[in-house]
Amino acid sequence: AQSVTQPDIHITVSEGASLELRCNYSYGATPYLFWYVQSPGQGLQLLLKYFSGDTLVQGIKGFEAEFKRSQSSFNLRKPSVHWSDAAEYFCAVGAGAGNNRKLIWGLGTSLAVNP
Amino acid sequence: DSGVTQTPKHLITATGQRVTLRCSPRSGDLSVYWYQQSLDQGLQFLIQYYNGEERAKGNILERFSAQQFPDLHSELNLSSLELGDSALYFCASSVDREGSPLHFGNGTRLTVT
Repeated sequence: AQSVTQPDIHITVSEGASLELRCNYSYGATPYLFWYVQSPGQGLQLLLKYFSGDTLVQGIKGFEAEFKRSQSSFNLRKPSVHWSDAAEYFCAVGAGAGNNRKLIWGLGTSLAVNP
Repeated sequence: DSGVTQTPKHLITATGQRVTLRCSPRSGDLSVYWYQQSLDQGLQFLIQYYNGEERAKGNILERFSAQQFPDLHSELNLSSLELGDSALYFCASSVDREGSPLHFGNGTRLTVT
């Protein structure tokens, strides 16, 4: 069955530290992949996406993610976290084609940033 | 700003009542999606419309219904409300091409008392 796993429910890092949020998926074909961020009281904002081509994708706010087909992973990284990065992060996988296209969502990782 | 507009931002109502949530998609987007987000269930896909037609159904209760109008705005109707329906309801839109992302509104927070 198609699924997305974000193994870390909650992560706390210090401001200025590096960050890696994990995302693993289960899907038979090459999916398209997304990372979204949700700040408190806000909607979900697209950080970056992978569709094809270069497996290292750059996003907004200094984030990047790397698609590793062999590991079925699409981990999100940032070299230096800012206090404003505290939010909920969601990984999503696009599956299917045509009218059967759908997005499968992870349950999210809550990021707290210590000053 | 995602370009997706949802109204109202907040809604407080009593059990048994009916409410309508409204969504205007980004200009040019033909697909509208409705999601429910609650603390215990996470982000749940409810239903998708494409150019006025229902495209896909998720975990939408029979008490809930939606439609997309010719001007592409969409409404989500929630009836016979229960306490457990209290949640954030998001609308998202997309051009619905392969690989195209969803663009989310800021949501409607529904509180059922």
